[in-house]
Amino acid sequence: KNQVEQSPQSLIILEGKNCTLQCNYTVSPFSNLRWYKQDTGRGPVSLTIMTFSENTKSNGRYTATLDADTKQSSLHITASQLSDSASYICVVTVLSGGYNKLIFGAGTRLAVHP
Amino acid sequence: DGGITQSPKYLFRKEGQNVTLSCEQNLNHDAMYWYRQDPGQGLRLIYYSQIVNDFQKGDIAEGYSVSREKKESFPLTVTSAQKNPTAFYLCASSPRTGSSYEQYFGPGTRLTVT
Repeated sequence: KNQVEQSPQSLIILEGKNCTLQCNYTVSPFSNLRWYKQDTGRGPVSLTIMTFSENTKSNGRYTATLDADTKQSSLHITASQLSDSASYICVVTVLSGGYNKLIFGAGTRLAVHP
Repeated sequence: DGGITQSPKYLFRKEGQNVTLSCEQNLNHDAMYWYRQDPGQGLRLIYYSQIVNDFQKGDIAEGYSVSREKKESFPLTVTSAQKNPTAFYLCASSPRTGSSYEQYFGPGTRLTVT
């Protein structure tokens, strides 16, 4: 069964600190892995996308890693800001006939406190 | 100002009534999608459309219907047959349905049925 699991479910950190969010997946055949940021009550916004051959991708203070052998990904946030408070969703794309299906994790809810 | 719009942001209905959620995009994307988001769960695909006048069921299509008469518009009707309609509904679009294409999400509609 194709699944994406994220940990932790929620996290509280102080402003200026770093944090790392985890994503494990059992998806086959794998196409790519994306990280999205979703503010409360809003739609998700893409942060990074990585294919099988990429093992790291950065977007400002966000750095995603991918280990396709262990089927794990992480999202590292550096020097957190209050605006980083949001849910972070890991999404894996499955090659499935004519439509490439997205499998969504449940997300990690991050709260950055002053 | 390009993007995806969903209206209304909040919607309240009585049980047994059908309700239609609006989704419009001016990105000239061929593909459009409807997802449902429930607390503690990943997004689940309701319907998708790869081109005008064509649409396919997703993982949880029962109790929902869609139409795609125009490229820019992909309305979702939540019928009285949907057992648990209260949820956050997200519309998305992408240039095509291929795995390399990013999906862009609208701001969402929160539907409450009592």
